Amino acid sequence: EDQVTQSPEALRLQEGESSSLNCSYTVSGLRGLFWYRQDPGKGPEFLFTLYSAGEEKEKERLKATLTKKESFLHITAPKPEDSATYLCAVGRGGSNYKLTFGKGTLLTVNP
Amino acid sequence: GAVVSQHPSRVICKSGTSVKIECRSLDFQATTMFWYRQFPKQSLMLMATSNEGSKATYEQGVEKDKFLINHASLTLSTLTVTSAHPEDSSFYICSADNTIGALDTQYFGPGTRLTVL
Repeated sequence: EDQVTQSPEALRLQEGESSSLNCSYTVSGLRGLFWYRQDPGKGPEFLFTLYSAGEEKEKERLKATLTKKESFLHITAPKPEDSATYLCAVGRGGSNYKLTFGKGTLLTVNP
Repeated sequence: GAVVSQHPSRVICKSGTSVKIECRSLDFQATTMFWYRQFPKQSLMLMATSNEGSKATYEQGVEKDKFLINHASLTLSTLTVTSAHPEDSSFYICSADNTIGALDTQYFGPGTRLTVL
């Protein structure tokens, strides 16, 4: 069974204090690893898709990296508006394609 | 691009009534749509996968007669919660698979908060 574990569960940062979120996964035949941002009471907002180990993607203050066992979401000089829950999900190859989500990391950035 | 809408955003109903939630992909065609539910402070749980023109595939433990899914076109899927009860109260979110953009990436709607009294 596919498993996704995110750590830490919650993270408090001061504005400008860089850090990383971790997503460890086990999946048979990775088709893609996805990062989403979710604000309270809203649906997840797509951030990145990573397909193979060694791949990296960046968007503003966020950078996602992927190895064969885990992915990191690096946040550089965060701002209060980066506060949200960050969700990691994996998609498995095969005919019954679906995503398995982790429980998320709640990030709070204080001004 | 890749915008998904849901309607209504919030619904309150009495126990025993049925509620229909619509999910639309606004600027792309979605062969596959997904329905999730999310309880407070928990992650998304997949309920069913909906393919246009065919029957939905339900996850283990999800009652297909209670959660009716129809995917009538490439831009519209509906979820009907039949004979709703308080335990069905939850946040329901749909997603659509945009195969034109990043491969196999699901784009999510804003969610529907269902409260059953």
